[in-house]
Amino acid sequence: GDSVTQMEGPVTLSEEAFLTINCTYTATGYPSLFWYVQYPGEGLQLLLKATKADDKGSNKGFEATYRKETTSFHLEKGSVQVSDSAVYFCALSDLGNSGGYQKVTFGTGTKLQVIP
Amino acid sequence: DAGVIQSPRHEVTEMGQEVTLRCKPISGHNSLFWYRQTMMRGLELLIYFNNNVPIDDSGMPEDRFSAKMPNASFSTLKIQPSEPRDSAVYFCASTPGQGAPSSYEQYFGPGTRLTVT
Repeated sequence: GDSVTQMEGPVTLSEEAFLTINCTYTATGYPSLFWYVQYPGEGLQLLLKATKADDKGSNKGFEATYRKETTSFHLEKGSVQVSDSAVYFCALSDLGNSGGYQKVTFGTGTKLQVIP
Repeated sequence: DAGVIQSPRHEVTEMGQEVTLRCKPISGHNSLFWYRQTMMRGLELLIYFNNNVPIDDSGMPEDRFSAKMPNASFSTLKIQPSEPRDSAVYFCASTPGQGAPSSYEQYFGPGTRLTVT
């Protein structure tokens, strides 16, 4: 079945540092890939997505490129801010063998803490 | 757009009591998902509806859990009887479409924090 593996947290960075959160996946079909962010006390919200190989999703200074050859979708940001402190979830959406229905698989989440 | 609405936001109950969580998806969305989030197990999909019909309930932990979607604008998740291990944050999410493409994002509600003592 489908799976998503992302790096363990927590990740602690100083403000303006470079961020990478690794994400790799396995899927039976041709998935779309997502990064969601969860701020304290809130639900998950979409950060960015990519729907086919070599697509780059970007939003709020974050980027991730859909790499089919390495089955990866690593999240990067060149200069993090304190306000980026949150939990980040990598996810894939696949029709696969689900009878034509969308099946979404989430990673375990990576907590990012940015200190001033 | 009001987003996905969940109620209550917080629920504290005693073991053995019935708990009902409510969700109103975004208008026009035809797929609805219930998730449970805990520190130990992360984010787990409990059940998934398409056009008000349950499609996949394999994540429902046991018979104490049940979910309904009587119409396109309302869903409930019921736990009867509740147990302390049910303590978690329960999220509802909706998507605007179904089938291809698989690129639809999920829109999450703010969650219901359930504490069972």
